[in-house]
Amino acid sequence: KNEVEQSPQNLTAQEGEFITINCSYSVGISALHWLQQHPGGGIVSLFMLSSGKKKHGRLIATINIQEKHSSLHITASHPRDSAVYICAVRGETSGSRLTFGEGTQLTVNP
Amino acid sequence: KAGVTQTPRYLIKTRGQQVTLSCSPISGHRSVSWYQQTPGQGLQFLFEYFSETQRNKGNFPGRFSGRQFSNSRSEMNVSTLELGDSALYLCASSYADTKQYFGPGTRLTVT
Repeated sequence: KNEVEQSPQNLTAQEGEFITINCSYSVGISALHWLQQHPGGGIVSLFMLSSGKKKHGRLIATINIQEKHSSLHITASHPRDSAVYICAVRGETSGSRLTFGEGTQLTVNP
Repeated sequence: KAGVTQTPRYLIKTRGQQVTLSCSPISGHRSVSWYQQTPGQGLQFLFEYFSETQRNKGNFPGRFSGRQFSNSRSEMNVSTLELGDSALYLCASSYADTKQYFGPGTRLTVT
């Protein structure tokens, strides 16, 4: 079993829909990252969380440390949101080392 | 501030050769991490350098090595290349253990 599990693996939505991507992890962490990767490879760090909730524009990330679970929500989805979203965790004693989920391929159709 | 830069962006090498990839972090960032991304294995941690010292190492063979210079620039080296080393190699920099900023990656093809 992977230390970081994401669901779903693939997600297709219509423009305007509310989207949720889930991430569960099995190790103690000091922080959880949500990353976005567009075709061509570039990765953008969307959020770094250690507790609670963060919001940036149409994106919201939440984390429940006790349940070892995080969600990434996209409100009013748009075709430009189409990308791979990756959950990554930083262990409690692992410096900046990240362990990654397999990613969720999101496609938003107009 | 300039972002993380990686050179070269694309590279084609032959089995058995060696390769050196370079990463220049954001100014002021002392931590540089290296990751390998392949379709089969996804993103995997290679190693992390902080203030010229290797702080963490992933589960890769000794053919993979790295170093960091006093200006925080980092290089990684892969010796005796194998076909399976074909991948996107990403570096990321951060200030201490905060949010990581990724470079555009170096796409290595081994033939």
